[in-house]
Amino acid sequence: NAGVTQTPKFRVLKTGQSMTLLCAQDMNHEYMYWYRQDPGMGLRLIHYSVGEGTTAKGEVPDGYNVSRLKKQNFLLGLESAAPSQTSVYFCASTQNRAHTEAFFGQGTRLTVV
Amino acid sequence: GENVEQHPSTLSVQEGDSAVIKCTYSDSASNYFPWYKQELGKRPQLIIDIRSNVGEKKDQRIAVTLNKTAKHFSLHITETQPEDSAVYFCAASNNNNDMRFGAGTRLTVKP
Repeated sequence: NAGVTQTPKFRVLKTGQSMTLLCAQDMNHEYMYWYRQDPGMGLRLIHYSVGEGTTAKGEVPDGYNVSRLKKQNFLLGLESAAPSQTSVYFCASTQNRAHTEAFFGQGTRLTVV
Repeated sequence: GENVEQHPSTLSVQEGDSAVIKCTYSDSASNYFPWYKQELGKRPQLIIDIRSNVGEKKDQRIAVTLNKTAKHFSLHITETQPEDSAVYFCAASNNNNDMRFGAGTRLTVKP
């Protein structure tokens, strides 16, 4: 079992460029989440999904879109990157509800210049 | 939505001393309170959790206490060791299916 895998691990974007971060889990988890981690601000929820074909907004969703076409994959898209989106992004999954252990990916360090 | 506040933001202790990190939450419907440890450059990992029907839980050197009336919960680490040095995050979740984290505490254990 690989657990939760994020692709890519590092990326540098120019302002205005677009990109997609991929999160894949092989634990058959229903719930998946995208967080961003910034110094002094902890982990802030961007979007989450409670099952295949469903998505919902978290606390900082602006500038991001997500899709969950397959149960094992959760994609995070940046349509027009801005320097304020420079951050470390973590994907996580839980088995059924948010009341169980969250398993995190290794993180993606994104820099927007 | 839920708001989780965590204190202190940094904590330095001598090896062998105890460390306490405190969190408060705003949503009285929250019923699950996990703690995650993140070592430098690595992913967060669960170290202990507690549910709202329990007041205290212990696992070897770490323990968590929950006060639902006051809406706060705390992480206690006894007999700290250098390998306990990391960033610790508290979190709270409710039936709205999302989980909100505190801002984190950077713990340094000095040998």
